[in-house]
Amino acid sequence: GQQLNQSPQSMFIQEGEDVSMNCTSSSIFNTWLWYKQDPGEGPVLLIALYKAGELTSNGRLTAQFGITRKDSFLNISASIPSDVGIYFCAGQGNAGGTSYGKLTFGQGTILTVHP
Amino acid sequence: DAGVIQSPRHEVTEMGQEVTLRCKPISGHDYLFWYRQTMMRGLELLIYFNNNVPIDDSGMPEDRFSAKMPNASFSTLKIQPSEPRDSAVYFCASSPGPYTGELFFGEGSRLTVL
Repeated sequence: GQQLNQSPQSMFIQEGEDVSMNCTSSSIFNTWLWYKQDPGEGPVLLIALYKAGELTSNGRLTAQFGITRKDSFLNISASIPSDVGIYFCAGQGNAGGTSYGKLTFGQGTILTVHP
Repeated sequence: DAGVIQSPRHEVTEMGQEVTLRCKPISGHDYLFWYRQTMMRGLELLIYFNNNVPIDDSGMPEDRFSAKMPNASFSTLKIQPSEPRDSAVYFCASSPGPYTGELFFGEGSRLTVL
């Protein structure tokens, strides 16, 4: 089945620092998404990317859909304490394929921000 | 608008007992997903429905697991009999369609099987 390799597994940073995490896949995805999970909550969508090469920003977050459609990265600039949580990448397959409509998630990156 | 509602939030049971987890999706969402989250395996898709019909149940671990969606506003995930290795957080999520990839997750049901 499709698998996503997300790195790093965890990060410990100081408030104000920039953060970068990425995701790679052996399969092509038509959509890449980044979710954040706060403790005790379900994941929430941060950014969605729909076209190879697309670069999208949402406030301090920037994400890119790799040209090969097999990778994506997420950057967080000027981190703040509320950025703490688990960040997941997710990929969605092709329309008409058996994987259409469902997401495959990476293993997550645990982010800790020290004030 | 209310989000995805799951119950119970926490369940502790003994091995061999039947467990039923419940989910109410966001009104108007045609897709419903059940995910399981563990430290070892991360977020795994168990099954998903479109318009109340199961589309892909290839992630259901074994016959002890079953899921139903009798109508557009309710779904259940049942484990019978439960085993300690079923301990996990089970998430229900709904989506208005597959086109954007955005899933709206509930707060999860934390299951502990002793």
